[in-house]
Amino acid sequence: QVQLVQSGAEVKKPGASVKVSCKAFGYTFVDYDIVWVRQAAGLGLEWMGWFNPNSGNSGLVQKFRGRVTLTRDASPSTAYMELSGLTSEDTAVYYCARAVRNLLLTEFWGQGTLVTVSS
Amino acid sequence: TVLTQSPDTLSLSPGERATLSCRASESVSDQYLAWFQQKPGQAPRLLIYGASNRATDFPDRFSGGGSGTDFTLTIDRLEPEDFAVYYCHQHGRSSRTFGQGTRVE
Repeated sequence: QVQLVQSGAEVKKPGASVKVSCKAFGYTFVDYDIVWVRQAAGLGLEWMGWFNPNSGNSGLVQKFRGRVTLTRDASPSTAYMELSGLTSEDTAVYYCARAVRNLLLTEFWGQGTLVTVSS
Repeated sequence: TVLTQSPDTLSLSPGERATLSCRASESVSDQYLAWFQQKPGQAPRLLIYGASNRATDFPDRFSGGGSGTDFTLTIDRLEPEDFAVYYCHQHGRSSRTFGQGTRVE
């Protein structure tokens, strides 16, 4: 059974960094990409970027370049999203999702990680 | 590619039909158009992919259609569990974006 289990909620101060983990179960980790999406409270979904656990390649939406780093540990099968230079506008639920390679169709989603940025 | 969904909110009763629209600012290949369902406090769930293919978890009262810049999600005979927010999503090569969502209440 495919599952993505994310790390717990975080509270950070402005200017700090946060690292969210996404552990994969039930499939071969390197065969699919990981996509990251965020959602501010009461708002819609914002696509952030993708990561290929096999090659280590990634792609980020322009607004996140220079602030977001996508990485992985092959064992255990875990992907990470690190966001630096946090501001209150980064307060959101961050989701990871398994995506079909090349199509980037997100089939299975993690439960989400709430990141709160507050002084 | 900007996706604009309409209406923002759809107020219906169980048993009625819901028709949700998603309009793209430029043409989207069918294979890159998906729909998601999201309920409060939950992650989005893939509902439709390739514009018209239903994910296995969902019953056949859900259907997707359209092409180019105009896509539609139809829910026949609304059930209580169908009241949620629905997002269209394009995941083409150049950019990946979501619509702002339609709330079915």
